[in-house]
Amino acid sequence: RKEVEQDPGPFNVPEGATVAFNCTYSNSASQSFFWYRQDCRKEPKLLMSVYSSGNEDGRFTAQLNRASQYISLLIRDSKLSDSATYLCVFHSGNTPLVFGKGTRLSVIA
Amino acid sequence: NAGVTQTPKFRILKIGQSMTLQCAQDMNHNYMYWYRQDPGMGLKLIYYSVGAGITDKGEVPNGYNVSRSTTEDFPLRLELAAPSQTSVYFCASSYSVGGRDEQYFGPGTRLTVT
Repeated sequence: RKEVEQDPGPFNVPEGATVAFNCTYSNSASQSFFWYRQDCRKEPKLLMSVYSSGNEDGRFTAQLNRASQYISLLIRDSKLSDSATYLCVFHSGNTPLVFGKGTRLSVIA
Repeated sequence: NAGVTQTPKFRILKIGQSMTLQCAQDMNHNYMYWYRQDPGMGLKLIYYSVGAGITDKGEVPNGYNVSRSTTEDFPLRLELAAPSQTSVYFCASSYSVGGRDEQYFGPGTRLTVT
């Protein structure tokens, strides 16, 4: 099983739609989880951390399911500017972050 | 603060040439990283450093070398460039190696080896 698995997409959704991505991880010792966003031909940037109890930041909601070893990202009321690749990231111990390959989202007018 | 800066932005190398990709950060971060990202693929860690004078291999270190003589700078050296090293190279830094600390990325260097 790969360390982290994401559906590469693309997810093509109309403006205003709700879209959700999942990401599974294999290392049960993983301690910290994040979603990063990468725009086309740009560097990745932190979108949000993922907390055990779930957390929300505006239109974005992140969830962690330790039992099934996955995290999710829900985007409500999608905007054109949400079009990007969303990278699932996790961390354990004193090792560097592990990045997923990303899920591509295209929001269409 | 400039954050993480990388030079050059673009470079074309001939097979067998060498070059150094420069990376600097002004956030006084202990940890610095070099990644490569091939088209449509994820980030692969090449090398990382936990502080001045200390470096460690990542997932794909072959064909590269690094040094960390100061907290601010973390250059990546390519010796004998090969077409397989055509990629986008990102440098990043963070206060700690993971945990709750955000990893900041530079804008990347697009390298083509022909």
